[in-house]
This record gives sequence, C-alpha cells and structure tokens, in this order.
Amino acid sequence: DTEVTQTPKHLVMGMTNKKSLKCEQHMGHRAMYWYKQKAKKPPELMFVYSYEKLSINESVPSRFSPECPNSSLLNLHLHALQPEDSALYLCASSLATSYNEQFFGPGTRLTVL
Amino acid sequence: GQQLNQSPQSMFIQEGEDVSMNCTSSSIFNTWLWYKQDPGEGPVLLIALYKAGELTSNGRLTAQFGITRKDSFLNISASIPSDVGIYFCAGQPGNSGNTPLVFGKGTRLSVIA
Repeated sequence: DTEVTQTPKHLVMGMTNKKSLKCEQHMGHRAMYWYKQKAKKPPELMFVYSYEKLSINESVPSRFSPECPNSSLLNLHLHALQPEDSALYLCASSLATSYNEQFFGPGTRLTVL
Repeated sequence: GQQLNQSPQSMFIQEGEDVSMNCTSSSIFNTWLWYKQDPGEGPVLLIALYKAGELTSNGRLTAQFGITRKDSFLNISASIPSDVGIYFCAGQPGNSGNTPLVFGKGTRLSVIA
C-alpha cells in the first residue's frame, strides 16, 4: 500500500460545530504532517508528528487540535472554526522527519459557514 | 525564514512544446523536490534530488539540483494535455537535518491542444 488516504473528501461545518479530519497510511512511515492550503497558494505546514509525538506546531490556533492515535493514523479535531479557516487540508507522511520525500493524501476540502 | 522563488508564475504552451521552470534561493538547500498538483487533489511527488549537480529523469520530466545548492530546475519535454496543473518546488534548508520543507509559490501550466 503506497497511499495516504484522507476522509472525508469534503466537509461543510458551522462555526459552532465539532468535527474531525482523518488520515491514514500503511507505508510504515513514522512522520506525519498536516498542511493547510488556500486557493492558488502552496501548502502551509501546521503540525508534524514524529514517532507518534508532536514535534512541530507552527503556531496554529487552538481551535485545531491534532492527534496521532498510532503510527498509521493522524486526526485533526476542529472546533469553533472561523470562515477564514475554509481551505484544503492535506495530510502527508514520510519515512521519518529526516527523510524529505513527503507523500500527500488527496486532501479534505473544508468549508466553514 | 527561508524563501524559494519559483518562476514563471504561469505558462501557456502549445501541446508538444518543451517546458522549463525553476526555483532559486539566497541560501543553500540539502534537498529539492518537485510536485505536481491537479485541481482539488493533493500534490504528487515527481522527482527528488539529494546531491548538488544531480540530474534525474522520470519519463518526460528531468530535474537538476544546482551546483551552488541554491537552485533547481524542472523540464518537461513534448508536453501533453494531462501535464496541466500546478508544479511546486520544495526544498529542505541546509542548516538542519529536520527542518521542515519550504515550498515555492508554484508554476501554473496550461497546455493548448
């Protein structure tokens, strides 16, 4: 299995909702990443997990809460988001943080109303 | 922080033409990666470069890691309609083994049949 999968593909939520994005990989990668991408912009790093521990938080607001339950799964919990948080949320993985070949999932298109 | 200057910003070419795009930086990079992103999808890794001067091909794609370690280019030969998309360069800055990737702003390629 050489894929990174993400669910859901699309998500529409209100500002008071709580939702979660899920990411899964079965390539044995020990580094996993969350990125946010706005239209016509490059991906912007949010969080990095290394061996299931949070190693980088790029000053992301607390309304985004990452979780890595095991080496194959990565979640992003969302609560009290703002309309400006609407974006494509991408998950990626690599063998380790010292290996730069990151493989991206297809993304979750999030719309906050 | 580190920045990558990617050019051109956009290109309109005829099917069958060759394409060239590049990324430059004022500081050195350890790794250069080239990704392609289709609308609504995640970036797909095309080529990874790890050594200064390295020239690597992947089908009609050829990429090189600049000798100065401050630049990289991507060439696409004999373009076809499915080459349409946004191409991102990404690099790991040369000052630390675990520094997150830095992304260029992308080159939007349009192919006219």
